[in-house]
Amino acid sequence: DAKTTQPTSMDCAEGRAANLPCNHSTISGNEYVYWYRQIHSQGPQYIIHGLKNNETNEMASLIITEDRKSSTLILPHATLRDTAVYYCIVRPTGGYQKVTFGTGTKLQVIP
Amino acid sequence: SQTIHQWPATLVQPVGSPLSLECTVEGTSNPNLYWYRQAAGRGLQLLFYSVGIGQISSEVPQNLSASRPQDRQFILSSKKLLLSDSGFYLCAWSVGQGDDQPQHFGDGTRLSIL
Repeated sequence: DAKTTQPTSMDCAEGRAANLPCNHSTISGNEYVYWYRQIHSQGPQYIIHGLKNNETNEMASLIITEDRKSSTLILPHATLRDTAVYYCIVRPTGGYQKVTFGTGTKLQVIP
Repeated sequence: SQTIHQWPATLVQPVGSPLSLECTVEGTSNPNLYWYRQAAGRGLQLLFYSVGIGQISSEVPQNLSASRPQDRQFILSSKKLLLSDSGFYLCAWSVGQGDDQPQHFGDGTRLSIL
């Protein structure tokens, strides 16, 4: 499975955009990049995923570099409720694949 | 819209006691269902997954078992709990077989074994 590398922690001012980077230099051509987050004591929440193109939904935007070796999750206007651990994962292809989290990035949104 | 329910939210059990955790999904048919465990300070470990009623695949040998008696119901059980069974148990669902189908998680059950 392709591994991912994320910063351990980040701070973001409330109302500002939060940009969370992820490196996945060993990603294969047909592997998707997924982002989840986990607020303390809750289950992980799916945010967004993508293959090659940039993606946007009501929660966030996902920017994937042309070589697909890295990506950035953007929360356009961070709120205090966005404080959580954010996980970037690469899903292997085929079958009913498990979700495997690394250590993630602890995002602290500061008032 | 689809929703997933897990209960109980927290559970404290003595060593050697039985266990039954339940998960149900609403708003979708024939979902793929998963049980994960998240130990403190560690990542997710897939325990079981199911693609249909009565069909269970186990990822790791363990003291636990799973059953799927109905299309949208997934149960995690144990006959005799061990101390090492403590953890945060998460149920998840997805649909289809495509690689672009996300898994959606419930709010989990925090299990403490005394």
